[in-house]
Amino acid sequence: DQQVKQNSPSLSVQEGRISILNCDYTNSMFDYFLWYKKYPAEGPTFLISISSIKDKNEDGRFTVFLNKSAKHLSLHIVPSQPGDSAVYFCAASVKTSYDKVIFGPGTSLSVIP
Amino acid sequence: DAGITQSPRHKVTETGTPVTLRCHQTENHRYMYWYRQDPGHGLRLIHYSYGVKDTDKGEVSDGYSVSRSKTEDFLLTLESATSSQTSVYFCAIRKDSGNTIYFGEGSWLTVV
Repeated sequence: DQQVKQNSPSLSVQEGRISILNCDYTNSMFDYFLWYKKYPAEGPTFLISISSIKDKNEDGRFTVFLNKSAKHLSLHIVPSQPGDSAVYFCAASVKTSYDKVIFGPGTSLSVIP
Repeated sequence: DAGITQSPRHKVTETGTPVTLRCHQTENHRYMYWYRQDPGHGLRLIHYSYGVKDTDKGEVSDGYSVSRSKTEDFLLTLESATSSQTSVYFCAIRKDSGNTIYFGEGSWLTVV
């Protein structure tokens, strides 16, 4: 049973528009969340994170929103650029066990010029 | 760049043969991890280490063993490779001062 779910395997967005990637989790003990981006034939790279004490974290074009009551987080990319085309992984961990970071299956984002 | 090097980057091996993947880091971080990536599953933790000779199992540890005799090296061994172990394997580290995991470039393993 997946503890971290990304129900959209793929997403296509026009360049300049907003990309919204969604993630749901089932374990209420999770208190730290991360997003990673992965290009083909490369390792995943860290993008942005959020602690459960916050409901929003922003870094340039990337914003992560956390809704603890719904066990849902989302990554917003504004404006989307062709270079953002990649697979995005949502991940979650428990503060007392940072070693076990659980990843979702990923969403493949295509930004169309 | 977290100074992680994986070797080999690509390998094809036969069912039943042993395989060892090596992860080398240059920054002496305490925590190191091995993940595998498969379609539909994301990244799943195989084993991790929190120091020299200190290792523990992750979500999908069956069929894998690890060793860490030096801080900088974390080895993943498939004692007898099976086709279900065909995957992309990623080594990762966690910097001692933070909560973020940083990945290496990956090792593509095909078991035929």
